[in-house]
Amino acid sequence: EPEVTQTPSHQVTQMGQEVILRCVPISNHLYFYWYRQILGQKVEFLVSFYNNEISEKSEIFDDQFSVERPDGSNFTLKIRSTKLEDSAMYFCASRQGPSPLHFGNGTRLTVT
Amino acid sequence: QQQVKQSPQSLIVQKGGISIINCAYENTAFDYFPWYQQFPGKGPALLIAIRPDVSEKKEGRFTISFNKSAKQFSLHIMDSQPGDSATYFCAASTGGSNYKLTFGKGTLLTVNP
Repeated sequence: EPEVTQTPSHQVTQMGQEVILRCVPISNHLYFYWYRQILGQKVEFLVSFYNNEISEKSEIFDDQFSVERPDGSNFTLKIRSTKLEDSAMYFCASRQGPSPLHFGNGTRLTVT
Repeated sequence: QQQVKQSPQSLIVQKGGISIINCAYENTAFDYFPWYQQFPGKGPALLIAIRPDVSEKKEGRFTISFNKSAKQFSLHIMDSQPGDSATYFCAASTGGSNYKLTFGKGTLLTVNP
């Protein structure tokens, strides 16, 4: 069964540094998402992306965040200047049309 | 109004028992209610979902019960097995789509052998 692939599985960075989290959505999917889960808390929507542009974003997704589909297979989340409170599990998800969301296994981001 | 409240936070059930997890919502515009199962180190995986035009949906040992007037929905796991031990999230979304999900806080289910 096709999967959403995320790399790295764990990223440690220092406060103020830029990080890029990478995702390879399922190949025929057209809609892409980032969610995050702070340890012990619920999964929260960050942003949705379709047709090479952001279709919706949450209030969490401020100017420090950006997303990009640099080629036909990758989908990235960039955090420009990480803060301690950005430490979380970041999940990429994708879907094709009305199909359910398929989530990747996540990238654990630790900001020190 | 966008919240989805989930209970209990944790649940311990004996093998063969019934696990019941409840969720409540406020936003009457929600029209898609999925349940996700998450194992440690993995992403959430869709388990079963329901739309508000039906009151119950069953898939194998998993059943969603939906009460539109009470704005509540629940997951029932019949004949619970140790392999069902995981975190379960209810979620809801609006607009006839299944994206921009609003998740509950999750229930850690432990099924003892």
